[in-house]
Amino acid sequence: GAVVSQHPSRVICKSGTSVKIECRSLDFQATTMFWYRQFPKKSLMLMATSNEGSKATYEQGVEKDKFLINHASLTLSTLTVTSAHPEDSSFYICSARWHGRPGNEQFFGPGTRLTVL
Amino acid sequence: GESVGLHLPTLSVQEGDNSIINCAYSNSASDYFIWYKQESGKGPQFIIDIRSNMDKRQGQRVTVLLNKTVKHLSLQIAATQPGDSAVYFCAEGHQTGANNLFFGTGTRLTVIP
Repeated sequence: GAVVSQHPSRVICKSGTSVKIECRSLDFQATTMFWYRQFPKKSLMLMATSNEGSKATYEQGVEKDKFLINHASLTLSTLTVTSAHPEDSSFYICSARWHGRPGNEQFFGPGTRLTVL
Repeated sequence: GESVGLHLPTLSVQEGDNSIINCAYSNSASDYFIWYKQESGKGPQFIIDIRSNMDKRQGQRVTVLLNKTVKHLSLQIAATQPGDSAVYFCAEGHQTGANNLFFGTGTRLTVIP
């Protein structure tokens, strides 16, 4: 149980295009999903917290208009990188918190490698 | 914000030996701590967690120790195997309320066959 998937696993796009990344909880409902960014050989940096049916809460320094987050259902959150540029190239990871389960454990997806040319 | 750091960025151990990975945290209000393992190109994988009302918790081949006095966390891996080679992150957060986790910088563990 507690499987989180991401799609796509890898994407290469041209500068200026927008890219959508999906995060799904496959066997549980997630009221809260989190989006992280990870640079090579670095730690995970929280970008935003996404709550189902409400606006995402962004961490300081993360541009809301650049990284659009939608959490339309209890099993799906999407991150759209708008007008992507090479500096947006990174490993994007989502996680989900199991609704109704005690504790604050987060279950992580496998990540999406974004390369902007 | 919180600051979570690791003493050693890399650790090499012989197969079969025990490994100890350390972590320091700065937010004394944190009451929930997790160790994650991340293999190359993959998302973090939960290893073990511990709440602040405990000093020690054991899992399969792993033990987490929490010293709240000095805000120190460690992960012990017994009989380290080649499959344990990965980057290990500690994360701190809260049992209730705010769900955010803050991650340390990570330690790369390399197991030498």
